[in-house]
Amino acid sequence: EAGVTQFPSHSVIEKGQTVTLRCDPISGHDNLYWYRRVMGKEIKFLLHFVKESKQDESGMPNNRFLAERTGGTYSTLKVQPAELEDSGVYFCASSQESWQAPYEQYFGPGTRLTVT
Amino acid sequence: GQNIDQPTEMTATEGAIVQINCTYQTSGFNGLFWYQQHAGEAPTFLSYNVLDGLEEKGRFSSFLSRSKGYSYLLLKELQMKDSASYLCAVRFSGGYNKLIFGAGTRLAVHP
Repeated sequence: EAGVTQFPSHSVIEKGQTVTLRCDPISGHDNLYWYRRVMGKEIKFLLHFVKESKQDESGMPNNRFLAERTGGTYSTLKVQPAELEDSGVYFCASSQESWQAPYEQYFGPGTRLTVT
Repeated sequence: GQNIDQPTEMTATEGAIVQINCTYQTSGFNGLFWYQQHAGEAPTFLSYNVLDGLEEKGRFSSFLSRSKGYSYLLLKELQMKDSASYLCAVRFSGGYNKLIFGAGTRLAVHP
């Protein structure tokens, strides 16, 4: 079974440009999460989709970040315009979930974003 | 805030046992996860505790005390490949399913 995949693995862009990150969750996982880790800090939650709906977007830093999950399969995270402080590693995770048994979140390898 | 605290770095010897501690605020606790992350790779799930006590999985065990807001990950018979970062993450009720992570503990295993 394929794991969570993310594209690209690395991206270097200039301040003010736009970048779109993609995440393909494990097939059948309705729950999809975005997290990011900026240099020297802990991994922080950005948002959570259940199928195509945003369940929790409390971690999105500002309106320069836009996440979508049309059709409830893959998700994209767009940063427009990018700022220097957006540099970091963006992780995607997916999980099966039920009220009875919360399952672990499976993480992708991350996209390393560098804004210069 | 919902701070998750764990030591920044630890070192240990191959074949030995190491314990990595994690503390968190107790209010609204709804489960604790341990993940292993090698440099440049995805965090991989190690264990999940929601009730007090010890969960054992081969060489790895995880303990939880909800009243103390405390967990530890115990790694036995250390191998060189265990050199990695170990992440403690807590799920809080009312936060849907998002995980709050500690900064991670970098473990270096020496021969």
